[in-house]
Parts: sequence; structure tokens; C-alpha cells
Amino acid sequence: DQQVKQNSPSLSVQEGRISILNCDYTNSMFDYFLWYKKYPAEGPTFLISISSIKDKNEDGRFTVFLNKSAKHLSLHIVPSQPGDSAVYFCAASPAGTALIFGKGTTLSVSS
Amino acid sequence: EAGVAQSPRYKIIEKRQSVAFWCNPISGHATLYWYQQILGQGPKLLIQFQNNGVVDDSQLPKDRFSAERLKGVDSTLKIQPAKLEDSAVYLCASSLEVFSGNTIYFGEGSWLTVV
Repeated sequence: DQQVKQNSPSLSVQEGRISILNCDYTNSMFDYFLWYKKYPAEGPTFLISISSIKDKNEDGRFTVFLNKSAKHLSLHIVPSQPGDSAVYFCAASPAGTALIFGKGTTLSVSS
Repeated sequence: EAGVAQSPRYKIIEKRQSVAFWCNPISGHATLYWYQQILGQGPKLLIQFQNNGVVDDSQLPKDRFSAERLKGVDSTLKIQPAKLEDSAVYLCASSLEVFSGNTIYFGEGSWLTVV
């Protein structure tokens, strides 16, 4: 039973355009949501997070939106750059427990 | 600040053999996690330590996997005997305390191939 779902295995975007990565979850007890980026042969690195009491968090080119009623969050990258090409994992957790990850979405940004 | 250190980076073993992975978390981080990432999947928690005590090991296959965190710092994950389906990346991660929104930092992973 997957509690965190990333239904798009891959996404291709042109440099300078917007990348939108989506994530759905089933557990209404999740308090925090995070996005991690992973390059080949490296460990995941933290990108941005959002608390369940907020609906938006922004950090530079990265914005995460949370829609609690739909149990859906999305990561927007504007503008997309070739260096953003990586696997993006959505993760969630009730406070006090470890993160539960989705399967990831591979983003390819072409120049 | 030094990151999470893991070794070995790569290991190839035959099925039924044993293997051990070592992790040194970020200094001062009380919480340590071992995740398993199979190709094409997201990381899955195997075990979580708070200092040297186990917080959650509900998804650890205890008939073949074991982990310890002596003195609340370094940790070792052991697999004995290994099966083909254990081929994966084993990720160690740490955080200042039990997760409550604070960032979890990952190491580069230990890649295991069982043949």
C-alpha cells in the first residue's frame, strides 16, 4: 500500500520553461512534506519542504504547493535549468516518524 | 561540516554470503536511519535509531538483516545470508533529532549487488 505516490515516472522540459512535478498521498496524518533531488551515484539531497499548516513555500526557483483537501502537492521549478535534471522524490511523514518516499520522477531539462 | 559517511561504496557478493555496511552520521545528530532503495523504487526505511536505541525496525527483515548503533554514533548494517532480492542501494541518513520537520541528510549510499 503506497502512501506517497508519484504517478509520472518521467518529465521532459525545455530550458527556461516551468517544470511541475506532482505527488499524491493517502495518509491525512502527515505533518510534513519534503522534496529530495537525487543525481546518479549520489545520495538524495534535501530541496524544499512544507508543513501541513501551510499551502505554499518558496525558495528561489523552487516552490512547493500543498492542497490538503485533495491530498496533493506539487513542486514547481521556474525557470528550469539543465542542472536540474535528476530524480525528484516526494516524501512525507507524521511528526516523530521517518520519511516515507514516493517512487520518484526523473526530470530531464534540455537546452 | 562533514556529511554522512558510508562504506563501502560498492560491494558484489554471491547469494548466501554475508556483507556489512558502515555509517558515520553528521556530528551531533542523534537520529540515524538506514534506508533500502531498490532500482526504480523510492527509499524504504529499514531501521531508525535515536541515540543507540531502536525507534522503528518494523520493516527490517530480521531473519537476515541486523543493525546496531553502539555508543550512539556509528552504525553497522549486516545482511546474512544475502539473497538476490537484496541487491539495492543502502542509504544511511541522520538528523538532529527524531523527525519533526527538520532536515534528514543522506550519505552517498552503499551499492550492493548479489549474484
